[in-house]
Amino acid sequence: RKEVEQDPGPFNVPEGATVAFNCTYSNSASQSFFWYRQDCRKEPKLLMSVYSSGNEDGRFTAQLNRASQYISLLIRDSKLSDSATYLCVVNGATSGTYKYIFGTGTRLKVLA
Amino acid sequence: GAGVSQSPSNKVTEKGKDVELRCDPISGHTALYWYRQSLGQGLEFLIYFQGNSAPDKSGLPSDRFSAERTGGSVSTLTIQRTQQEDSAVYLCASSWTENEKLFFGSGTQLSVL
Repeated sequence: RKEVEQDPGPFNVPEGATVAFNCTYSNSASQSFFWYRQDCRKEPKLLMSVYSSGNEDGRFTAQLNRASQYISLLIRDSKLSDSATYLCVVNGATSGTYKYIFGTGTRLKVLA
Repeated sequence: GAGVSQSPSNKVTEKGKDVELRCDPISGHTALYWYRQSLGQGLEFLIYFQGNSAPDKSGLPSDRFSAERTGGSVSTLTIQRTQQEDSAVYLCASSWTENEKLFFGSGTQLSVL
């Protein structure tokens, strides 16, 4: 089983739609969680950190479920500019190390 | 302030040559990470530094790969006797400390002919 798993997509959605991505992680000792966005041939950029209480940043909402070991990202009112690959990132996924493990990403295409 | 800086941005080399990739982290960031991303693939962890020490180098693919960090700042990733399968984008990232959010450089595109 991979340490961090994501549905690769692609998710093709119309502008204005709401879309949700999930990510599961294997190590219950994992300590911090993030969503990154990566545009084609560019470096990943931080979208948001994910907290147990859930957090929101504008149209984006992230949730963490420690009991079920998954994190989610909800995008409301999708824009064309949201088209990108969304990477789930888990730190401390392997006990004793603080390396960040990246999921392989979920591709989102927002259609006009 | 300046972000993470990587050089060169592009490197073309011949099979069997050695290459050095450089990363200059954000000032004050104590943790520095190296990743590799092949075309259409996810990010593959290579090594990370906390200060000048490398607590985890488990991702280095072979003994042809090595990295060092000096003065708690600049890091160099060295690949000896490059092979075609080493062709990828090499990404460096830094954070204030372990377990904090990562900031990435724009990467070095390495092509081994």
